[in-house]
Amino acid sequence: QKEVEQNSGPLSVPEGAIASLNCTYSDRGSQSFFWYRQYSGKSPELIMSIYSNGDKEDGRFTAQLNKASQYVSLLIRDSQPSDSATYLCAVNPGGSYIPTFGRGTSLIVHP
Amino acid sequence: DAMVIQNPRYQVTQFGKPVTLSCSQTLNHNVMYWYQQKSSQAPKLLFHYYDKDFNNEADTPDNFQSRRPNTSFCFLDIRSPGLGDAAMYLCATSRDYTGGRADTQYFGPGTRLTVL
Repeated sequence: QKEVEQNSGPLSVPEGAIASLNCTYSDRGSQSFFWYRQYSGKSPELIMSIYSNGDKEDGRFTAQLNKASQYVSLLIRDSQPSDSATYLCAVNPGGSYIPTFGRGTSLIVHP
Repeated sequence: DAMVIQNPRYQVTQFGKPVTLSCSQTLNHNVMYWYQQKSSQAPKLLFHYYDKDFNNEADTPDNFQSRRPNTSFCFLDIRSPGLGDAAMYLCATSRDYTGGRADTQYFGPGTRLTVL
């Protein structure tokens, strides 16, 4: 059973702070990793994909991947109230186009 | 803009009354997926098509069926909806698994199903 674990939260941060969201996975052969944002009642939307160890930055978002430790994280700098949402981590086991989703972490950014 | 479209956005049905949800895509992606998502839970994969090949998840109830008549369209049929089937149903597409990397999934806006 391939598992993806996320702390369900809620994670509460003040506006302007850095929000750090973490995800661990069980399949050591996983090669593709995705972060999605999901607002309440809406569908998931892609924030970032990452495939190689290290950091990948896109605007205020940075994804960090450590395959040896089997975790992927998402940092949100200068958090805004509009970032308040559930963040889903998705991991593709090696050789598969079908992702396994975590339960998501609820983020609340308060003014 | 290329996109994934789901209809209807909201569906209300009665207990036991069949319902069909539709999904269309203009991305020309090989793979189409149907997910069920309940509140505060991860999306649960029901089944997917790789081109015309249908793949059912082992724990998907027989009450759920799917059709993909062509590349662009996919349908989810719930033959006898129960109260426990009330959820958000998400359609997603992706290209393939290319060069050691899985391609991004693109989600439609979802259909919220209410069962009375």
